[in-house]
Order: sequence, then structure tokens, then C-alpha cells
Amino acid sequence: NAGVMQNPRHLVRRRGQEARLRCSPMKGHSHVYWYRQLPEEGLKFMVYLQKENIIDESGMPKERFSAEFPKEGPSILRIQQVVRGDSAAYFCASSPSGTGRRLIYEQYFGPGTRLTVT
Amino acid sequence: TQLLEQSPQFLSIQEGENLTVYCNSSSVFSSLQWYRQEPGEGPVLLVTVVTGGEVKKLKRLTFQFGDARKDSSLHITAAQPGDTGLYLCAVIIQGAQKLVFGQGTRLTINP
Repeated sequence: NAGVMQNPRHLVRRRGQEARLRCSPMKGHSHVYWYRQLPEEGLKFMVYLQKENIIDESGMPKERFSAEFPKEGPSILRIQQVVRGDSAAYFCASSPSGTGRRLIYEQYFGPGTRLTVT
Repeated sequence: TQLLEQSPQFLSIQEGENLTVYCNSSSVFSSLQWYRQEPGEGPVLLVTVVTGGEVKKLKRLTFQFGDARKDSSLHITAAQPGDTGLYLCAVIIQGAQKLVFGQGTRLTINP
């Protein structure tokens, strides 16, 4: 049972270019989350998606960042016109469902994409 | 301000020693999770604690949830170099579908 897959693992972009990060959730999981980890910091929530729907994008910067989770294919986190401050590790996580009324709730993380903006 | 404060931020000890790291908050949570993250990898869930005062053991790791469900600790007995990593505590915000993480404790076990 393959885990969460992310690609590429490393991505180098020059300032002003676009970065596309891909995430394939675990088999059977329909909920995807993106987190960003700046150097020497913990993870910060960015966006929560279900198939074809953005459920919560409260952690996404208002400009240049977008995310999608199409009916077919992986979830994509897109960063337009990257700047040096976008350099970070971006992690995708998936879960079989939302929290609902469950007390125990688990997200499974991928290995991350390390974005370097030069 | 951080919702979850982890301490210490950095800890370097010798193999065989015991250690405790902490995750504190002024808020009450229905559950709390601990993750370990190794360099170049994503976080891996170690445990979820749900009940105030709950103690869970995972081999040499002992996790405790505070009686008031505001804080948690992780105790490692006879630390080994393989325990090296970033230890993160996290909570789910009720009504929101997201994990909130502490800044982590970066643990180094020297052989």
C-alpha cells in the first residue's frame, strides 16, 4: 500500500518562475492537505482540499499561490512568480475523511518537495 | 504567539541517557499528537493521546497527556542515535480540518 507520494523531491526555480508541486494521496484517501515548513520551523497549514473542491484555504498567501485536486490525477500546489521567501519544504498529507466527530484523526504525510528559489 | 510551545528547542545528549521534552499550551484540546521528522523526510505519526492523564508507551518512548489536556510530554529512556530527529506535537483545531504544530524539539543523540 503505497504512501503519500510527492514530486519532485527537489525543485530549483529562479525568481519570477512558476513552481508546480504534485501530490498523490494514499490509496482510498480523498482528503488532501498542504503544509509549508520554513527552515528551522514547524509546519504551517496552507490548504485543505477534497476532490474538485477547496475546503479551507485560510493558510494560503492571498497572491501567487493556488491549489487544486482534480477528479483525476494528483493534487497540485502552484506558486507563480516565485520569490526567495518561497524557499521552503512543502508537505502534502492525506486522510480518508475529515474530522467529523472523530476524536482520533490522522493525516499521513509525504516526503515533501524542497523548493529553492535562486 | 504560538498555540503550542515546545521545549527545549534543541537538545543534544549522549547515547544511553534519558530525556523529556514538553509541549505546552494555555488551551484545552480533545486530542494531541506527536510526530517525528527525520532530515529530508515528512513527519511520521508516533502517537495520539486523547484522555487527560493518559500514558502511552511505544518501546522506549513514553507519552503523557496532561490531566487538564493542555500539555503533553515525551520521555525517552536510554536514548539511541536512531532517536535523532525533530519531534513535533500537533493538535486538531475543532471545527477546522487542519493540524497546528509546535515548532518542534530538535533532538540529537551522540554515540
